[in-house]
Amino acid sequence: DAKTTQPNSMESNEEEPVHLPCNHSTISGTDYIHWYRQLPSQGPEYVIHGLTSNVNNRMASLAIAEDRKSSTLILHRATLRDAAVYYCILKTSYDKVIFGPGTSLSVIP
Amino acid sequence: DGGITQSPKYLFRKEGQNVTLSCEQNLNHDAMYWYRQDPGQGLRLIYYSQIVNDFQKGDIAEGYSVSREKKESFPLTVTSAQKNPTAFYLCASRETGPAGTSNEQFFGPGTRLTVL
Repeated sequence: DAKTTQPNSMESNEEEPVHLPCNHSTISGTDYIHWYRQLPSQGPEYVIHGLTSNVNNRMASLAIAEDRKSSTLILHRATLRDAAVYYCILKTSYDKVIFGPGTSLSVIP
Repeated sequence: DGGITQSPKYLFRKEGQNVTLSCEQNLNHDAMYWYRQDPGQGLRLIYYSQIVNDFQKGDIAEGYSVSREKKESFPLTVTSAQKNPTAFYLCASRETGPAGTSNEQFFGPGTRLTVL
């Protein structure tokens, strides 16, 4: 199973952009890149996903490297409510989904 | 409202007892998942099911069992064989699309199991 690596923790100032990196050097051609985030004592919630092209939605943007071996989740203006653990995962068409430890994002007022 | 429900939110059991965690979804999703989360850790896959009456072991299936008799229900039993059952358990579901597509997972609120 392809794995992802993320920094353990990151900090951001409120209302500034945040770039959360993810490395997935063993990604296969059928793997989608998904991002979820989890608040304490809650289930994860979906943020965004993509395959090859950059993606935007109301929550964030996803920038995918041309070789697909890395990606970056971009929060355009961090708020205190964005403080959470962010997971970058690879999803194949075979339905098995592997979560790593994620990046704990702290937002400083 | 559509979604996934897990009950109860908190569960206490004595060591050596089996316990069953409930997971119900009304999203009409084919695929359902069970994950375990320990403090400060990511999610680890216990079991998953792609369709009714079928399920596969995840990475840490030992000491757990599941059933998928109905599309909307995927209960997880934590047996006495599970050495360290105290954890936060999360259920999820996903709509399976055509080959080559990938849909998001929807998670329930979780059940925090404490074995005394």
